[in-house]
Amino acid sequence: GAVVSQHPSRVICKSGTSVKIECRSLDFQATTMFWYRQFPKKSLMLMATSNEGSKATYEQGVEKDKFLINHASLTLSTLTVTSAHPEDSSFYICSASTVSGNTIYFGEGSWLTVV
Amino acid sequence: QKEVEQNSGPLSVPEGAIASLNCTYSDRVSQSFFWYRQYSGKSPELIMSIYSNGDKEDGRFTAQLNKASQYVSLLIRDSQPSDSATYLCAVNNAGNMLTFGGGTRLMVKP
Repeated sequence: GAVVSQHPSRVICKSGTSVKIECRSLDFQATTMFWYRQFPKKSLMLMATSNEGSKATYEQGVEKDKFLINHASLTLSTLTVTSAHPEDSSFYICSASTVSGNTIYFGEGSWLTVV
Repeated sequence: QKEVEQNSGPLSVPEGAIASLNCTYSDRVSQSFFWYRQYSGKSPELIMSIYSNGDKEDGRFTAQLNKASQYVSLLIRDSQPSDSATYLCAVNNAGNMLTFGGGTRLMVKP
């Protein structure tokens, strides 16, 4: 079946630095990818919708200059957390939609800890 | 505002029993419905998808959809301790965007 790979699975960075998380669809083309953030014991919160070849659409309250999203190809989207702060520490999850749009698959998630 | 509502639980059932998880949604034009299972610290895993009214069975799992009443449910037969997780209901409204419920935590006790 379709697989979405996310890397790194865990990352620790210093406050003020930037960190990049990659999301790849391994055996299908994903015209649309989604980025979520999940705090402990909370539900998934959609951050942005990433469309290949165009600018991402951010949800209300999500800073586009802080969370940079690039979707340069049909199989890769990246999320860069810029000038990270401890409050950005969270579980970040990407998902990708098949071209038909019938099914959405999740990556394994990336734990970000900002110290 | 498009909403998806779930009881947060925890729902506790004994091993071997049927676990029933419910979800309601507000957007009547919703077309696709999904159940995801999420273990603590892990990413959600797709369990079932359902698109038309009625029941859909896959192994020990049965998804039920009633568009008139705007609810979707998931039944887990012969519940096992390994089924203990948070179950997320998701609704696909438009543009392949999923709206998630808050999740129901299921605990299956041996």
